[in-house]
Amino acid sequence: GAVVSQHPSWVICKSGTSVKIECRSLDFQATTMFWYRQFPKQSLMLMATSNEGSKATYEQGVEKDKFLINHASLTLSTLTVTSAHPEDSSFYICSARVSRESGYNEQFFGPGTRLTVL
Amino acid sequence: GQNIDQPTEMTATEGAIVQINCTYQTSGFNGLFWYQQHAGEAPTFLSYNVLDGLEEKGRFSSFLSRSKGYSYLLLKELQMKDSASYLCAVTDSNYQLIWGAGTKLIIKP
Repeated sequence: GAVVSQHPSWVICKSGTSVKIECRSLDFQATTMFWYRQFPKQSLMLMATSNEGSKATYEQGVEKDKFLINHASLTLSTLTVTSAHPEDSSFYICSARVSRESGYNEQFFGPGTRLTVL
Repeated sequence: GQNIDQPTEMTATEGAIVQINCTYQTSGFNGLFWYQQHAGEAPTFLSYNVLDGLEEKGRFSSFLSRSKGYSYLLLKELQMKDSASYLCAVTDSNYQLIWGAGTKLIIKP
């Protein structure tokens, strides 16, 4: 099956610093990738949809200037949390969409990145 | 609005059968997914239903009724490793995934 990797797996940073998270599709090309955030004991919350070669589409309530998304190639999307604060501590998960010949779209998830802001 | 409901938590015994229900109200429908998520890990794909009926895959089966806006995930011969959260997600008319809050399944020996 399709494999999606994320780097780093976990990161601890000081408040006010920026953190970049990479999401790669290893054995397929993904024109669309998604970024999710998950707080403890809650479901996945979609943050933004990343389309290769164009600007990301952000969900309501997600600050585009704080969560910078770049999808420069068909296998790589990056999420940069700028000026991180403790409330940004969360589990960030990316996924890549694959369109099947049957017509349905399936998402493959990366392993997630645990961000802790001190 | 768009809404997906599933029980918050369920408990079952090792070796038994458990059914996790999911009801949805979404703007359009392009399929329903079930994912398994162990604590601290990303979700993993279990099943996909777009037509009415039952899809069986080993110990796991998933059922869909589009007219009722209803699905269930059936887990047979439960094992301790099945302890996890089970997430129901529906693809709407824009092919966006709408997530349920997940059902935490606790398996007891």
